Amino acid sequence: AQKITQTQPGMFVQEKEAVTLDCTYDTSDPSYGLFWYKQPSSGEMIFLIYQGSYDQQNATEGRYSLNFQKARKSANLVISASQLGDSAMYFCAMREGPGSGGSNYKLTFGKGTLLTVNP
Amino acid sequence: GAVVSQHPSWVICKSGTSVKIECRSLDFQATTMFWYRQFPKQSLMLMATSNEGSKATYEQGVEKDKFLINHASLTLSTLTVTSAHPEDSSFYICSAPRSGGQGTEAFFGQGTRLTVV
Repeated sequence: AQKITQTQPGMFVQEKEAVTLDCTYDTSDPSYGLFWYKQPSSGEMIFLIYQGSYDQQNATEGRYSLNFQKARKSANLVISASQLGDSAMYFCAMREGPGSGGSNYKLTFGKGTLLTVNP
Repeated sequence: GAVVSQHPSWVICKSGTSVKIECRSLDFQATTMFWYRQFPKQSLMLMATSNEGSKATYEQGVEKDKFLINHASLTLSTLTVTSAHPEDSSFYICSAPRSGGQGTEAFFGQGTRLTVV
């Protein structure tokens, strides 16, 4: 079974509009972390936002927010006020186990969503 | 903030030769580093976990004799693709976590695009 599922291979959004990128996950570990990364065409992985399994509130970082629904095992990324520079590949990833260092930091990635922002 | 530096950013090599990729943590000590591979238009797949002072741990299906990993110091891990073939052409990227954090400190290098001709 897929541990991270991103069902949207591609998404289009108009500039200045908000967009939601879907991510569902599967784990039996009570302690885990969820990440979103942006990968532009250059290939670098840009960290956007993190949500811990025990965090009570949804994470927010500027224009990015994570809609964390634990019972549904979903961690959707919401980008508000889209900009042309947001066009990129977006990956959802999960770390299973507590983030106490070492090999616990290995991540499992979804297949990604290619976001295109139209002017 | 913490930075992970990966070199080279791209390399073209002839089939049968070996290529070394370096990953350095610039302002923190990384006892563990992760090496991922990404084929075009696909996701990142973990290849191996590099541990300073001990042998690397390889994921199932990854040939340890082909992808040699050395974690020589607390700031440097290297991946050597030995006897490279065209099917090894891919994007390789390392990640170094900063121990003690709560999951936000998973820093990636810039990646290396390998083309074997």
